Amino acid sequence: AQTVTQSQPEMSVQEAETVTLSCTYDTSESDYYLFWYKQPPSRQMILVIRQEAYKQQNATENRFSVNFQKAAKSFSLKISDSQLGDAAMYFCAYRGTYSGGGADGLTFGKGTHLIIQP
Amino acid sequence: NAGVTQTPKFRVLKTGQSMTLLCAQDMNHEYMYWYRQDPGMGLRLIHYSVGEGTTAKGEVPDGYNVSRLKKQNFLLGLESAAPSQTSVYFCASRLAGVRNEQFFGPGTRLTVL
Repeated sequence: AQTVTQSQPEMSVQEAETVTLSCTYDTSESDYYLFWYKQPPSRQMILVIRQEAYKQQNATENRFSVNFQKAAKSFSLKISDSQLGDAAMYFCAYRGTYSGGGADGLTFGKGTHLIIQP
Repeated sequence: NAGVTQTPKFRVLKTGQSMTLLCAQDMNHEYMYWYRQDPGMGLRLIHYSVGEGTTAKGEVPDGYNVSRLKKQNFLLGLESAAPSQTSVYFCASRLAGVRNEQFFGPGTRLTVL
């Protein structure tokens, strides 16, 4: 079974600075998808960024970028120019292609609570 | 488009009572999911469906049943609620094809006393 580990329960950053959230995962598959979701106090799950494992280029979405290290099974999220609205729980998630069977759906880490200091 | 909606938003049950959570999507998605989220945890998959009339077990299926009689609806049932089922429940859906993202509903907070 796949596992996703987020080793930072909480992170704090000053507004306008850069912060990196860590995520590692374990899988025996060669093709899969990785995601970062944001969950603000409203509880709504919001997709921040996604990475396809077969792509070597790191995904970017405006101020959000990832550092995807396939061999190390590492998938970190960098938030540049942090804003007060970035304060939330951030979840790393994995989804395989399940060509060999197994349950569909996302496997989530336990999350990192990001605090933005004004 | 309303996207993914969940009914109800909040519910309090007593141990042993039953209830059904309704998930509806208007995006013509084939795949639908039920997750639960407990404090300090990420979401965990309960059951899912890859199409009308089909269901399958996820990571934590015990104590729950599901039905997908219509493509747009996915029901999650608790036959005899237990305090361990106190959680926030999320529904999600997506189009078929491994590259497609999941869209989440707003969640249902369920408390079992």
